[in-house]
Amino acid sequence: DAGVIQSPRHEVTEMGQEVTLRCKPISGHDYLFWYRQTMMRGLELLIYFNNNVPIDDSGMPEDRFSAKMPNASFSTLKIQPSEPRDSAVYFCASSSGQDFRRVRLFFGEGSRLTVL
Amino acid sequence: KQEVTQIPAALSVPEGENLVLNCSFTDSAIYNLQWFRQDPGKGLTSLLLIQSSQREQTSGRLNASLDKSSGRSTLYIAASQPGDSATYLCAVQMDSSYKLIFGSGTRLLVRP
Repeated sequence: DAGVIQSPRHEVTEMGQEVTLRCKPISGHDYLFWYRQTMMRGLELLIYFNNNVPIDDSGMPEDRFSAKMPNASFSTLKIQPSEPRDSAVYFCASSSGQDFRRVRLFFGEGSRLTVL
Repeated sequence: KQEVTQIPAALSVPEGENLVLNCSFTDSAIYNLQWFRQDPGKGLTSLLLIQSSQREQTSGRLNASLDKSSGRSTLYIAASQPGDSATYLCAVQMDSSYKLIFGSGTRLLVRP
């Protein structure tokens, strides 16, 4: 299996620009998670989906952030407009969800975002 | 609110040494605790998962223990190797919501 695939791996943009991050989960996994990692705050869960439906978006910082999952093999995280404090590594992870007591996450390699 | 803490933030040891990484959590009502490894510029890889009813889990040179009542877990690495150099993070699952709460990690360097 190819694992969780994220793109782009690196993105440098200017403040105010729109940023779209993409994720392809592992085939057959029905849970998808978006995390953000910074030195100051560590790993934070932004949002997660089950069967393409958003379940919990309480970690989304503000209205500038939005996430979609139009089908089982693709998800996007969009930031519009971007700000320097959005600079972080954004991870996508997926899980098969077979046992809610033993959630195992498979992470992509992340998208490093720098907003100037 | 659950808080997960890992101390120390960084650790440097010579090759061959046995070492222990620590993880503590404030709320003992957890479903499970996991240990992850993160290499520089990479995502996280799950190493071990201990369910709340278990005391320990082993995989090769790694052994993770869990003491729910005291809110502690340790990851024991035997006969450390330079290839073990990475950041190790622990995470707890509190309920059936599929949300994991992560510690900030311990950055391990094993010197040849």
